[in-house]
Amino acid sequence: DQQVKQNSPSLSVQEGRISILNCDYTNSMFDYFLWYKKYPAEGPTFLISISSIKDKNEDGRFTVFLNKSAKHLSLHIVPSQPGDSAVYFCAASAGDDKIIFGKGTRLHILP
Amino acid sequence: KAGVTQTPRYLIKTRGQQVTLSCSPISGHRSVSWYQQTPGQGLQFLFEYFSETQRNKGNFPGRFSGRQFSNSRSEMNVSTLELGDSALYLCASSSGLEDSPLHFGNGTRLTVT
Repeated sequence: DQQVKQNSPSLSVQEGRISILNCDYTNSMFDYFLWYKKYPAEGPTFLISISSIKDKNEDGRFTVFLNKSAKHLSLHIVPSQPGDSAVYFCAASAGDDKIIFGKGTRLHILP
Repeated sequence: KAGVTQTPRYLIKTRGQQVTLSCSPISGHRSVSWYQQTPGQGLQFLFEYFSETQRNKGNFPGRFSGRQFSNSRSEMNVSTLELGDSALYLCASSSGLEDSPLHFGNGTRLTVT
């Protein structure tokens, strides 16, 4: 049973525009959410996180939004840059130090 | 601060053999987690160790095991290898405190033939 779902395997966005990556979860016990970025042949890199007591967290070009009632979170990247082309993983934890990942969304930034 | 180091980077084994992968966490980090990444399956949680104790375990068969040493370094062992075990194995460390992110190594690419 997949507890963290990223329903879009890939996404293409024009350089300079906004990239929006979506993630849904099923476990209502999740209270900490993270986004990771992964380039080929490298490990995932932590991007940004949000606790369930917040509905928004911002760090530079990256903003994560959390909608607890819909069990949905999204990552916004503004403006999108060529170096943002990577696979993005959504992840969640229920406070037990076990972090569950989605299957990832491949983001292509078009010139 | 040095990052998470995994060795070896690449490994080729034959079905039925066993393999040991190594992970050195970021200095000061006491928690080490292991994940398996296969195409189309994302990162699947194997287990997590904190202060030499396994705190969490994923849904993998008993052929997959791990341990953590007093210096927080960790090893993962897979016995009786199967073709389906071919994957990228990622190790990640964290402080182990609540709501602390994982920091990943670059992984070990295991190919079983």
